[in-house]
Amino acid sequence: AQSVTQLDSQVPVFEEAPVELRCNYSSSVSVYLFWYVQYPNQGLQLLLKYLSGSTLVESINGFEAEFNKSQTSFHLRKPSVHISDTAEYFCAVCDQGAQKLVFGQGTRLTINP
Amino acid sequence: DTGVSQDPRHKITKRGQNVTFRCDPISEHNRLYWYRQTLGQGPEFLTYFQNEAQLEKSRLLSDRFSAERPKGSFSTLEIQRTEQGDSAMYLCASSLGGRDGYTFGSGTRLTVV
Repeated sequence: AQSVTQLDSQVPVFEEAPVELRCNYSSSVSVYLFWYVQYPNQGLQLLLKYLSGSTLVESINGFEAEFNKSQTSFHLRKPSVHISDTAEYFCAVCDQGAQKLVFGQGTRLTINP
Repeated sequence: DTGVSQDPRHKITKRGQNVTFRCDPISEHNRLYWYRQTLGQGPEFLTYFQNEAQLEKSRLLSDRFSAERPKGSFSTLEIQRTEQGDSAMYLCASSLGGRDGYTFGSGTRLTVV
């Protein structure tokens, strides 16, 4: 069975500062990895995903995540955050042979002006 | 394509009453998932359909919970004899496959008083 640990429940940062949201997963088989974002009063939206190939994946709004197999991590980073990035971010894993996503507990990103 | 639709958005019910939620997935998606999310937690898997077949149910899904997906289109989730602990956001998602990630609906927020 897979599991996901998001190491920080809340991350406050100042606008235009860099940020890293940490995610570690546990699985005995190959996995697909995802980051979802949930803006206030909205549903979850897919931010980016790692399936195979290049270990660095990027989103359209400047976030990137790097798959590290040896450390079983998939940390999310952005070099300069904006107020509009305020949201809850969820890391999720899916066993390549299975059909369901397993989510972490979420990290609330708060951007201060 | 209007995405995944859930109805109602909010439901307040008295303890002991039955409630039913509806989910309309993206039309070409053959997989449909139900998750439950409580405050400060990530989504927890409840059950999963491929077409009309219910392929997996979580141990979280007690006998009071039942889900259907007649004809492989929309799905309903019914909770009988609701309890205060059932208060949560119930999320529906659909997908073409594990590597595609999910498209989530906006959820149904259930409050049991």
